[in-house]
Amino acid sequence: QQPVQSPQAVILREGEDAVINCSSSKALYSVHWYRQKHGEAPVFLMILLKGGEQKGHEKISASFNEKKQQSSLYLTASQLSYSGTYFCGTEMSSNYKLTFGKGTLLTVNP
Amino acid sequence: KAGVTQTPRYLIKTRGQQVTLSCSPISGHRSVSWYQQTPGQGLQFLFEYFSETQRNKGNFPGRFSGRQFSNSRSEMNVSTLELGDSALYLCASSFRLGGSGANVLTFGAGSRLTVL
Repeated sequence: QQPVQSPQAVILREGEDAVINCSSSKALYSVHWYRQKHGEAPVFLMILLKGGEQKGHEKISASFNEKKQQSSLYLTASQLSYSGTYFCGTEMSSNYKLTFGKGTLLTVNP
Repeated sequence: KAGVTQTPRYLIKTRGQQVTLSCSPISGHRSVSWYQQTPGQGLQFLFEYFSETQRNKGNFPGRFSGRQFSNSRSEMNVSTLELGDSALYLCASSFRLGGSGANVLTFGAGSRLTVL
């Protein structure tokens, strides 16, 4: 079951904040966030586990609402280097199968 | 520590041909996953291998297959290529995050396949 991400795209000016959402219709074991810059491989940002919240980066954090099976990625005081496509990936159980959403294209302009 | 290595990086095939892509995982990583990436569809899960066994499979036709060797290197094969198979194929090796059991992927740069 592919998670649903929103918005599909967002454009920011440097210093602005953004929120990217990821939702699932199934109960989740974990939610992962990856960022892919143009022409590069996706890179792991952070993981949120059932029953907990883990902060991976200084100005990038995330939450996981288990009741709603939703996760949100928060980017504060955005920098040009934040530009890229953000993917959430979900695991239904501890089974090594990570299913990704279609991605959110984030563009940060000067 | 060397990253995930995929070969070839680029290749062009014609319809009906077959292709084999290779992936060398990070040393010590025993799980290898394959994904197909196309514009607008994101990352579509193909399959995952561990200790030479396929543990998980996505919703792709039987033309897509894979295998893993005893040194954890993996290959995927696509037979009877179709135009729609043009995509970036990403391999990822993974480890379990200590104590949590959660799976963290490290991706290779991918193999870009163009089918004419």
